[in-house]
Amino acid sequence: GENVEQHPSTLSVQEGDSAVIKCTYSDSASNYFPWYKQELGKGPQLIIDIRSNVGEKKDQRIAVTLNKTAKHFSLHITETQPEDSAVYFCAARKDSSYKLIFGSGTRLLVRP
Amino acid sequence: DTEVTQTPKHLVMGMTNKKSLKCEQHMGHRAMYWYKQKAKKPPELMFVYSYEKLSINESVPSRFSPECPNSSLLNLHLHALQPEDSALYLCASARLAVREKLFFGSGTQLSVL
Repeated sequence: GENVEQHPSTLSVQEGDSAVIKCTYSDSASNYFPWYKQELGKGPQLIIDIRSNVGEKKDQRIAVTLNKTAKHFSLHITETQPEDSAVYFCAARKDSSYKLIFGSGTRLLVRP
Repeated sequence: DTEVTQTPKHLVMGMTNKKSLKCEQHMGHRAMYWYKQKAKKPPELMFVYSYEKLSINESVPSRFSPECPNSSLLNLHLHALQPEDSALYLCASARLAVREKLFFGSGTQLSVL
């Protein structure tokens, strides 16, 4: 079955710097890749997603890139702010499947 | 309205108690999900309802009993839970069960004593 590996497990950056979180998936049939942000005491919030027919997608300070050949996808956050501090989860899914396969999560800390 | 609303936010129960978790959405979504999340782990799928019918049960113990009374409501009935069932229980919904974005509620933090 599908497996999603996520790195790093923790990331500490200075406010204003960029942050990059990387995920690798195993099932080449996966074609939908969302990213979720989870703040303490809250549920995961969908922040951006990408489908396999697109290589890159951007929404203000966040962007996701996908390399289908290498089966890698990454989340890029520019000009980080303290409110970006949270746990970020990547995930992968096939169109035929009900099930999102999550990565293990990255705890991002943005230092003021 | 783009929210998935879960009640209660916190719940403490004994191993002999019966309790229920409630989830509500008014986005017209026809797929609803229950996930379980342990501390510092990703969410784990428990159940999927599609058009009010149970589509997926991820081998969840029978002490967890889901119910979908209508297209807006999802319940999770709890009975004879164990301390290891303590976790954050998340409800989610999607327009359809496949090919669609998944939106989560804020969860119910459950403690079993």
